[in-house]
Amino acid sequence: GAGVSQTPSNKVTEKGKYVELRCDPISGHTALYWYRQSLGQGPEFLIYFQGTGAADDSGLPNDRFFAVRPEGSVSTLKIQRTERGDSAVYLCASSPGTGVGETQYFGPGTRLLVL
Amino acid sequence: GQNIDQPTEMTATEGAIVQINCTYQTSGFNGLFWYQQHAGEAPTFLSYNVLDGLEEKGRFSSFLSRSKGYSYLLLKELQMKDSASYLCAPVRENAGNMLTFGGGTRLMVKP
Repeated sequence: GAGVSQTPSNKVTEKGKYVELRCDPISGHTALYWYRQSLGQGPEFLIYFQGTGAADDSGLPNDRFFAVRPEGSVSTLKIQRTERGDSAVYLCASSPGTGVGETQYFGPGTRLLVL
Repeated sequence: GQNIDQPTEMTATEGAIVQINCTYQTSGFNGLFWYQQHAGEAPTFLSYNVLDGLEEKGRFSSFLSRSKGYSYLLLKELQMKDSASYLCAPVRENAGNMLTFGGGTRLMVKP
């Protein structure tokens, strides 16, 4: 079956611009996670959704970052007034639920470059 | 919070065995994941341990000691395609299975 997909695969933008990154989870997965990965580092948690609601957004670095999942499926990560430090790979993952040990399946990521 | 420590880089020879260690300090431990990530690709699931002991899955095995805050990933009969980063991620209870990753160990397999 189809895995997690993310669009765009690459995004180049200018400092100060607004960007939206999209994630299509595996069909039927209720939990969706966003992570950010800088070069040479492990992924860093940003936010996760259980259904439509953000269950934990403690990883969002500041109020320029926002994410939605209005129908409990597709999610969009929104970054306002982008800064060069936002450049990273943004990974999305989904899992059937949030039970103990449930595997998260990752998408290929969106590589964001802020000039 | 969580402290996760794993070696930054390792090198091994094709056909050999390599052990990648991970130590962690976490409140409310609820198991530990290992993921593999090839350069430029998404992390893929390798193993999940919640009980002490060794779990074997083909060429890969994962070990956990909860009392010592220690895990390792054992790769046998190394192949060139095993060159990748290996990410250790302990899970906190009541955290929705949110993963906190270590910095990863970049393994280079040489002929």
